[in-house]
Amino acid sequence: GENVEQHPSTLSVQEGDSAVIKCTYSDSASNYFPWYKQELGKRPQLIIDIRSNVGEKKDQRIAVTLNKTAKHFSLHITETQPEDSAVYFCAASASQAGTALIFGKGTTLSVSS
Amino acid sequence: DSGVTQTPKHLITATGQRVTLRCSPRSGDLSVYWYQQSLDQGLQFLIQYYNGEERAKGNILERFSAQQFPDLHSELNLSSLELGDSALYFCASSATSGATGELFFGEGSRLTVL
Repeated sequence: GENVEQHPSTLSVQEGDSAVIKCTYSDSASNYFPWYKQELGKRPQLIIDIRSNVGEKKDQRIAVTLNKTAKHFSLHITETQPEDSAVYFCAASASQAGTALIFGKGTTLSVSS
Repeated sequence: DSGVTQTPKHLITATGQRVTLRCSPRSGDLSVYWYQQSLDQGLQFLIQYYNGEERAKGNILERFSAQQFPDLHSELNLSSLELGDSALYFCASSATSGATGELFFGEGSRLTVL
């Protein structure tokens, strides 16, 4: 089955800096790669996703890149703000029946002002 | 508000006991997923149901079972509880049968086993 590795586990940046979180996956059949943000004491929420037919996707200060050959994808947050502080999870899944969305172990991002 | 409702929000019980966690998906969503969140373990996939049928299974213990009812709500049953079962259990729903669309998570049920 799918295995998703996520690095780093913790990341501390200054307000205004960029943050990058990287994930690798094992199943070459995976074709959907979302990122979820979980604020303290809250539920995970989707912030951006990318499908395998696209190499990069951007939404304001957030961007995701995908390298299918190397089986890795990354989340880039520019101009970080204190409200970006949260746990970020990457995930991967495939279209086949019987597969599920498998999450990485999460990255705790702390943005200090 | 995601539209996914989970009850109870908090539950404290003793080892060896059995509990049932309940989830009502968003209106119109046919898929329900259960995830376990423990410290340092991220979101561990347990099981998925789609329109009443089991669709995908993760590392769900034999002591755990789930089902989805005709009204689409789902229940996760945890039995012979151990200290290590203490965790936050999330239910999520989606409109599609496959796992390639947005999941909408409930607020979670926090289980403490003493």
